[in-house]
Amino acid sequence: SQTIHQWPATLVQPVGSPLSLECTVEGTSNPNLYWYRQAAGRGLQLLFYSVGIGQISSEVPQNLSASRPQDRQFILSSKKLLLSDSGFYLCAWSVIHEQFFGPGTRLTVL
Amino acid sequence: KNEVEQSPQNLTAQEGEFITINCSYSVGISALHWLQQHPGGGIVSLFMLSSGKKKHGRLIATINIQEKHSSLHITASHPRDSAVYICAVSRGSGGSNYKLTFGKGTLLTVNP
Repeated sequence: SQTIHQWPATLVQPVGSPLSLECTVEGTSNPNLYWYRQAAGRGLQLLFYSVGIGQISSEVPQNLSASRPQDRQFILSSKKLLLSDSGFYLCAWSVIHEQFFGPGTRLTVL
Repeated sequence: KNEVEQSPQNLTAQEGEFITINCSYSVGISALHWLQQHPGGGIVSLFMLSSGKKKHGRLIATINIQEKHSSLHITASHPRDSAVYICAVSRGSGGSNYKLTFGKGTLLTVNP
């Protein structure tokens, strides 16, 4: 069966520090991968998606970047965090329409 | 105007009540999703549908493609149903168009 992992589960970082969130999927090949963010009091927003290794599409201009170095690995990064980067970050995968979500990372930028 | 609108934003019910959450969308879609988010933040996919009706236990989801409207029903509600319910749509076909556009969610509280 398929499993999706995210780490860390929670993170508190100072403004201006770097960020690396990792997502890995098991039990499937060549999935579409997604990074979503849920800011406090707001709905989910798609940040990045990837249809294959090295292929990244960005949905909104922002302080973040994403990479897909392996088929089942998706990484969300920032060189310098802003206060507005705080939120709940979810990774998801799909093969066709149905999406499966990871447990999420709660990021607090102070 | 958001592409996906949900109502109500908040809903409080007594245990046992029949609950309906509505979702309207303004774009052509290939699938509509109902998701459940518990207080810890984790999200579970409840339904994905493109026509008609689906049922899973006490949950029923319906969609009317012509009216661009979907409803999520919970029969015999229970306090453990308390969560945020999110409607989302996906469009087109092919890898890039499986990305989801979300409603803002409905916070459901079921009191014992």
